[in-house]
Amino acid sequence: AQSVTQLGSHVSVSEGALVLLRCNYSSSVPPYLFWYVQYPNQGLQLLLKYTTGATLVKGINGFEAEFKKSETSFHLTKPSAHMSDAAEYFCARSGSARQLTFGSGTQLTVLP
Amino acid sequence: KAGVTQTPRYLIKTRGQQVTLSCSPISGHRSVSWYQQTPGQGLQFLFEYFSETQRNKGNFPGRFSGRQFSNSRSEMNVSTLELGDSALYLCASSPTVHPSEQYFGPGTRLTVT
Repeated sequence: AQSVTQLGSHVSVSEGALVLLRCNYSSSVPPYLFWYVQYPNQGLQLLLKYTTGATLVKGINGFEAEFKKSETSFHLTKPSAHMSDAAEYFCARSGSARQLTFGSGTQLTVLP
Repeated sequence: KAGVTQTPRYLIKTRGQQVTLSCSPISGHRSVSWYQQTPGQGLQFLFEYFSETQRNKGNFPGRFSGRQFSNSRSEMNVSTLELGDSALYLCASSPTVHPSEQYFGPGTRLTVT
């Protein structure tokens, strides 16, 4: 079964520090990959997506992710964390079937 | 454009009852998918509709059903509610049938007592 693994259910960073959230996927072919963010009591907001082409993808709010086929990874980064980045982040994939398969999520805490 | 809207936002039901949740996709989007989010199981795919046809279904019992109307609005129904059905139910819409990003609504929080 195709799966998505997010390493670290909780990540804490200081305000202004680098944010790195890890995501690995299992797939025999490169899938479509996404990062979503969820704030408390809200739905999911799309941060960025990888479909084809450039492997470094830029998203909203200063986030970016790099697709590395050799490592089957799609890690999310942001150079400088802001208090407003505190939320839960989900990595997801889809393939020929359109349904999204999500990782278990990473709760990001930003410390003042 | 207005985003995906879901009604109601919060719902409390009793075991054994049934419930219907509604989703209006982004204007022009013809694909609607439903997901269940729980602390224990995370985000799980329920089903997807496109042009009033169910195209894909997740691994949920037959108590979970859905439909899509000609205006792309969708409803999902859960019959004979169980305590374990307590969850956030998220609807997402997409503009095409090809794998692409999905845009999520705020969800309906269902509590079964």
